Amino acid sequence: EAGVAQSPRYKIIEKRQSVAFWCNPISGHATLYWYQQILGQGPKLLIQFQNNGVVDDSQLPKDRFSAERLKGVDSTLKIQPAKLEDSAVYLCASSQGLSYEQYFGPGTRLTVT
Amino acid sequence: DQQVKQNSPSLSVQEGRISILNCDYTNSMFDYFLWYKKYPAEGPTFLISISSIKDKNEDGRFTVFLNKSAKHLSLHIVPSQPGDSAVYFCAASAASGTYKYIFGTGTRLKVLA
Repeated sequence: EAGVAQSPRYKIIEKRQSVAFWCNPISGHATLYWYQQILGQGPKLLIQFQNNGVVDDSQLPKDRFSAERLKGVDSTLKIQPAKLEDSAVYLCASSQGLSYEQYFGPGTRLTVT
Repeated sequence: DQQVKQNSPSLSVQEGRISILNCDYTNSMFDYFLWYKKYPAEGPTFLISISSIKDKNEDGRFTVFLNKSAKHLSLHIVPSQPGDSAVYFCAASAASGTYKYIFGTGTRLKVLA
């Protein structure tokens, strides 16, 4: 079974630029998550989708971050404009449903200079 | 407010000995707990979980203990192997709501050969 795919793996941008990350979850997984992991901290949930509907986006900085999951499969996370404090690893995870274990992708390491 | 805490940033253990990783939580609504292991440049991988109706769960060399009255859980690895060297995160969720995970800050385990 293929795992969660993410691209790109690394991205370096200047502050105020925009960036987008892509995630392809495990086939058949209804729930998709985006996490932000800042160095030295645990992953923090940004947004959670159930199929293509948003379940939780309480910690998503909506003035600059946006995410969508069209057709309930792939998802993109966008940052516009980026700030220095957005430097982190962005992890995508998927699960069969809300109460099931989450499977993580390898992450995208973003550096904002 | 850090609801899930891992107070030991790092731990070194001799190969063959027991590794004990600790995790404390503050939210009494949490009723499901998980441990994830993370190697560099990879996403976290699920290791073991425990429901609040149990106080112990075992899977091979890995055992998780839950003390609800103390709001404390621990992961025991016996015997420890060099391949166990990784960062370990505990996570907690509540069945009421969106089941979202709250992660601790992680403990870096180094198993010395």
